[in-house]
Amino acid sequence: EAGVAQSPRYKIIEKRQSVAFWCNPISGHATLYWYQQILGQGPKLLIQFQNNGVVDDSQLPKDRFSAERLKGVDSTLKIQPAKLEDSAVYLCASSSSGTSNEKLFFGSGTQLSVL
Amino acid sequence: AQSVTQPDIHITVSEGASLELRCNYSYGATPYLFWYVQSPGQGLQLLLKYFSGDTLVQGIKGFEAEFKRSQSSFNLRKPSVHWSDAAEYFCAVGGNTNAGKSTFGDGTTLTVKP
Repeated sequence: EAGVAQSPRYKIIEKRQSVAFWCNPISGHATLYWYQQILGQGPKLLIQFQNNGVVDDSQLPKDRFSAERLKGVDSTLKIQPAKLEDSAVYLCASSSSGTSNEKLFFGSGTQLSVL
Repeated sequence: AQSVTQPDIHITVSEGASLELRCNYSYGATPYLFWYVQSPGQGLQLLLKYFSGDTLVQGIKGFEAEFKRSQSSFNLRKPSVHWSDAAEYFCAVGGNTNAGKSTFGDGTTLTVKP
């Protein structure tokens, strides 16, 4: 089966610019997550979707970050305006059910550099 | 609050040698524990998980981990390391909500010497 697809693979922008990342989960997976992984750290959850609804966005910096999953399939994460500290890898993951014993499938991520 | 500590930032082992990666967690109830591997430029892949039952858990690629409640540890082991095991390894702890809300450690980078 096809895995979780993310694009672009790399992005370099200047601070105060905007950027968007795209994620297409595994077909049929209802739950989608976005994580931020800063160099030298583990992934940190930004937002969780169940179908096209937000389940948890408590860790999303909503003054500059936004995310949507309008049709309950693919998703976009946007940063506007970007700051230097947003430099990180942004990972998308999906699972079939969003339960405690589910298996997460991760994409390869988008590496963002903010100059 | 839940947390994970991986005390070793970087470990180097020779190919064929045994491996143990340490993970200590803090969680107020019975934890759900995970080990993931991340190869360069790749997403995370689940190696194994512990929810309940047998405290010795077998995973993919010949890895195993042992849950020790008294020590709040969930160390990852492999009896004989292969060069392809070189990667970053993350331990994660969660509860009975969902695996995606797990808290990850900062990872241990494994280098394998020929």
